[in-house]
Amino acid sequence: RKEVEQDPGPFNVPEGATVAFNCTYSNSASQSFFWYRQDCRKEPKLLMSVYSSGNEDGRFTAQLNRASQYISLLIRDSKLSDSATYLCVVMKYGNKLVFGAGTILRVKS
Amino acid sequence: DAGVTQSPTHLIKTRGQQVTLRCSPKSGHDTVSWYQQALGQGPQFIFQYYEEEERQRGNFPDRFSGHQFPNYSSELNVNALLLGDSALYLCASSLGLAGGRTQYFGPGTRLTVL
Repeated sequence: RKEVEQDPGPFNVPEGATVAFNCTYSNSASQSFFWYRQDCRKEPKLLMSVYSSGNEDGRFTAQLNRASQYISLLIRDSKLSDSATYLCVVMKYGNKLVFGAGTILRVKS
Repeated sequence: DAGVTQSPTHLIKTRGQQVTLRCSPKSGHDTVSWYQQALGQGPQFIFQYYEEEERQRGNFPDRFSGHQFPNYSSELNVNALLLGDSALYLCASSLGLAGGRTQYFGPGTRLTVL
């Protein structure tokens, strides 16, 4: 079983739609949690950190459930520019990042 | 503010050869981590350098080795290349080893092994 699991998609949504991605992780010792965004053939870029209290950054909302070892990302009012691969990431001791395989989002006009 | 830089951007090698990839961390950062990203997969942790020492290592064979220099830049060396080593190699920098520090990625080196 992979340490971080994500639905690979692709999620094909129209502009303006709300879309949600989910992720589960297996190591309860994981310390920090993130969503990264990766455009085709580019490097991953930090989208947002994820906290148990939930956090929001504009159209993006992330949530962590430590008891269920579950992380989510909600994107509201999708834009064409949101098309990318979204990587669920957990940080283990010593700042080692463990990535999921990514969820592909395609926003269409 | 200079971000993370990597060189070269692309590289083509043949099986059995050796390769060296280079990384300069973001200004002010002292910790460098290397990741391998195969096509269709998420990045996988190779190792991490801090204070010129390898601090953590992922599940990669000894053919993968590295070095960190006093100016915090780093090299990744891969010996006896295999076809399966073809991937995007990403360098990430951060400040220190304390938990929760954001890692910033460079643009990567795309290695093709023929």
